[in-house]
Amino acid sequence: QQQVKQSPQSLIVQKGGIPIINCAYENTAFDYFPWYQQFPGKGPALLIAIRPDVSEKKEGRFTISFNKSAKQFSLHIMDSQPGDSATYFCAASNYGGATNKLIFGTGTLLAVQP
Amino acid sequence: SQTIHQWPATLVQPVGSPLSLECTVEGTSNPNLYWYRQAAGRGLQLLFYSVGIGQISSEVPQNLSASRPQDRQFILSSKKLLLSDSGFYLCAWRPGQNYGYTFGSGTRLTVV
Repeated sequence: QQQVKQSPQSLIVQKGGIPIINCAYENTAFDYFPWYQQFPGKGPALLIAIRPDVSEKKEGRFTISFNKSAKQFSLHIMDSQPGDSATYFCAASNYGGATNKLIFGTGTLLAVQP
Repeated sequence: SQTIHQWPATLVQPVGSPLSLECTVEGTSNPNLYWYRQAAGRGLQLLFYSVGIGQISSEVPQNLSASRPQDRQFILSSKKLLLSDSGFYLCAWRPGQNYGYTFGSGTRLTVV
């Protein structure tokens, strides 16, 4: 119940394409769903996050779509660029919980070809 | 401003040697602190978390331990390293409830 399942494991798109990364969770107590971007040799950086009271959130070229009934959420990258090539992790947690442990998906390695 | 520091950035240690990795946070008080490990090409595994000084919770049984001697200091230790301890170790913090996580820059540990 604590798992977050992420797919695909890797993804290759052409510049300008729209890569989509999907995640699913089981624990209905989760109420905070962030996405992290990680470049090689660096720590993950928070990209965008969503709470379950909305179905979509946009920040620049990045969009999270959230389906509470299906317990699924996804990341869309509009007009993808070679600089977006990185590993992307979805995560989930009980946002207001005292310990607030962040459970990560297994990651998606994205390559955007020029 | 609030920042997180991890050191060293890279470390090569022989099997059986001790380990001490340090993480400190600046510009805040009473943060929740976390240690994660990332094996090569893999996801992030939560190892330990702490909600206050001296309060440590372990997520994965192993030969690692953690301590929080001061409010903004979190230390990951081992008495005897194993080859399987190799990986990328990340410290993260959360200022309190209703805030997201921020990660440090990580320590690349290679046990030889």
